[in-house]
Amino acid sequence: DAEITQSPRHKITETGRQVTLACHQTWNHNNMFWYRQDLGHGLRLIHYSYGVHDTNKGEVSDGYSVSRSNTEDLPLTLESAASSQTSVYFCASSEHTGELFFGEGSRLTVL
Amino acid sequence: GQQLNQSPQSMFIQEGEDVSMNCTSSSIFNTWLWYKQDPGEGPVLLIALYKAGELTSNGRLTAQFGITRKDSFLNISASIPSDVGIYFCAGPGSNYKLTFGKGTLLTVNP
Repeated sequence: DAEITQSPRHKITETGRQVTLACHQTWNHNNMFWYRQDLGHGLRLIHYSYGVHDTNKGEVSDGYSVSRSNTEDLPLTLESAASSQTSVYFCASSEHTGELFFGEGSRLTVL
Repeated sequence: GQQLNQSPQSMFIQEGEDVSMNCTSSSIFNTWLWYKQDPGEGPVLLIALYKAGELTSNGRLTAQFGITRKDSFLNISASIPSDVGIYFCAGPGSNYKLTFGKGTLLTVNP
């Protein structure tokens, strides 16, 4: 069955470190998204991609970057982790319908 | 940008009770989506609505696309413990991006 997987599921890091969260989907979807989920804020869009070599900023993109070298993967990088980036991160993919399929999430703690 | 106001923020109910939650938008949507997030998991699509006035059921869940296209409702009948979770409404903005409500946290007391 097609799926979308995230790794790691849990990570603890220190302020200033670079962190990369992986996202891999086998749906062959063109559209991929990264959201963060925080209490009181719901799901907020960080970055998204409509295809290989395409990346776009979402509403909370500062401090994050993504790259899309193939259809299946959209890694999210925190260049210099900050405590404000402690959150649960969700990757999602979709085709043209707008119906997103989510991964199981990556819980990041920045100390 | 588009904003979705979802209410209530949380609900604490007894098993067997019916549940109702709603979502309103500052702008018109052509599609409304309802997701459920189980504890420790990613959101999963429950119901998709594509037409104003549409009423769609999925088991004990019923959702409606408001006539004004600025609101949607989700009802759960005869709640059970596994209904616990966060329910999100969502609507697609430009270019397949979804805007999400802040969620309704549902707790069901056995």
